[in-house]
Amino acid sequence: EPEVTQTPSHQVTQMGQEVILRCVPISNHLYFYWYRQILGQKVEFLVSFYNNEISEKSEIFDDQFSVERPDGSNFTLKIRSTKLEDSAMYFCASRGTGMNTEAFFGQGTRLTVV
Amino acid sequence: AQTVTQSQPEMSVQEAETVTLSCTYDTSESNYYLFWYKQPPSRQMILVIRQEAYKQQNATENRFSVNFQKAAKSFSLKISDSQLGDTAMYFCAFMKRTGNQFYFGTGTSLTVIP
Repeated sequence: EPEVTQTPSHQVTQMGQEVILRCVPISNHLYFYWYRQILGQKVEFLVSFYNNEISEKSEIFDDQFSVERPDGSNFTLKIRSTKLEDSAMYFCASRGTGMNTEAFFGQGTRLTVV
Repeated sequence: AQTVTQSQPEMSVQEAETVTLSCTYDTSESNYYLFWYKQPPSRQMILVIRQEAYKQQNATENRFSVNFQKAAKSFSLKISDSQLGDTAMYFCAFMKRTGNQFYFGTGTSLTVIP
C-alpha cells in the first residue's frame, strides 16, 4: 500500500538553528500539507501546497517557515530559526484530487528544540 | 471560519462493547466532507471513516459507523465490538468541498479495557 514517508523520525536542535523536515508524498498525489501537533494538543494546519505553490497557510506559518518541492518527489518544511515553542510533532500529508479526498499522513517527525 | 468540537477528551469502553464518540462542527458551507482519523500510540494518523455532506446515508466501515445529522452539525462515531487495537486518539475533521485544508477537533482519547 502506498504511504507517505517522513524523515527524520526525531530531530533535536538548538534554539536559533535551522531545521529541514522531509517528506516523500504518495507519487500521484497533487496536494501536500504540513500539520503540527504540540504534545497533548490538537492537530494544527500549517500550510497546503498545490501546483508548486502555497495554496493556503495558517497564521502559525510565518516568515520563519517555508516549504519546497525541490525535485518533484520530496516535500520539505524549513524552519529558519527555531524557537522553543516550535517543539512539536510535524505531520506531512498528501492527497489526490476530485472525489478522492482521503489524506494520507506520514508517521510524523518529532522536533525537539532545546 | 470552520470549527470542530470534540467535547469528550477521554473515554473508555470494555472490550466487545459499543462506544460513541461525539463531534460537532460549525460552518456556513453546504458542501463538505467529514472524517474520523485514528492516531494510535505509533502516532501515525489513519483514516477511519469519511462522510460526504451531500449524502444522507450514514457511512459505515465494518465495525465503525457514523451518525451524521447535518441540520444539527453533528457527526458522531460509533465503534461496535470494541477491540484492544481500537485504543487510540480519535480526531474528527472537516474539509470544505471546494477547499483543501482539514480542520481538526481536539481529539478524544479512547481506551479499550480488556
